[in-house]
Amino acid sequence: DAGVTQSPTHLIKTRGQHVTLRCSPISGHKSVSWYQQVLGQGPQFIFQYYEKEERGRGNFPDRFSARQFPNYSSELNVNALLLGDSALYLCASSLLLRRSEQYFGPGTRLTVT
Amino acid sequence: QQQVKQSPQSLIVQKGGISIINCAYENTAFDYFPWYQQFPGKGPALLIAIRPDVSEKKEGRFTISFNKSAKQFSLHIMDSQPGDSATYFCAASSGQGGSEKLVFGKGTKLTVNP
Repeated sequence: DAGVTQSPTHLIKTRGQHVTLRCSPISGHKSVSWYQQVLGQGPQFIFQYYEKEERGRGNFPDRFSARQFPNYSSELNVNALLLGDSALYLCASSLLLRRSEQYFGPGTRLTVT
Repeated sequence: QQQVKQSPQSLIVQKGGISIINCAYENTAFDYFPWYQQFPGKGPALLIAIRPDVSEKKEGRFTISFNKSAKQFSLHIMDSQPGDSATYFCAASSGQGGSEKLVFGKGTKLTVNP
């Protein structure tokens, strides 16, 4: 069975640009969450979507936005990129909104120069 | 404010030894405690998880011990192998605010020497 997939694998952007990251959840999973992992730290929660609705948002600026599509895939958008946005962006999928294990994808490595 | 404190930051164990990683939390509303294993360049992989209605859960060589009154939980890796060398993260979530937001510790880099 396919796990969580993310694209692209790596991305290099310049300060001020915009980026879109994509995630496909495990088949049958209805919830997608996004996390940011800075080198040497644990992942930090950005968003959770369930049934195409935002159900949770972490402490990130409005430059970060996301959406979930009818097929449960998701996009994370970041506007006006800053050097500090350089990180591994992880997508996790779960069967349900709550009380359901979260399985992570391989991540997208974003470098902002 | 770090809600989940993980220790040690790094750990070196000989092959066949026991690796022990500890986590402490502050939010008493947390009701789900997973452990993740992460290899360099990869996403975290769910290893084992526990809910506060049990004090211990074992899966193969991996055991979670949970102490609700002390607000602490730990991961024990028995018969540690070189292939276990990775970074381990504890996490916790509560469902507060209507989402299953995982709060992670800072990680423990485990090295198992052959």
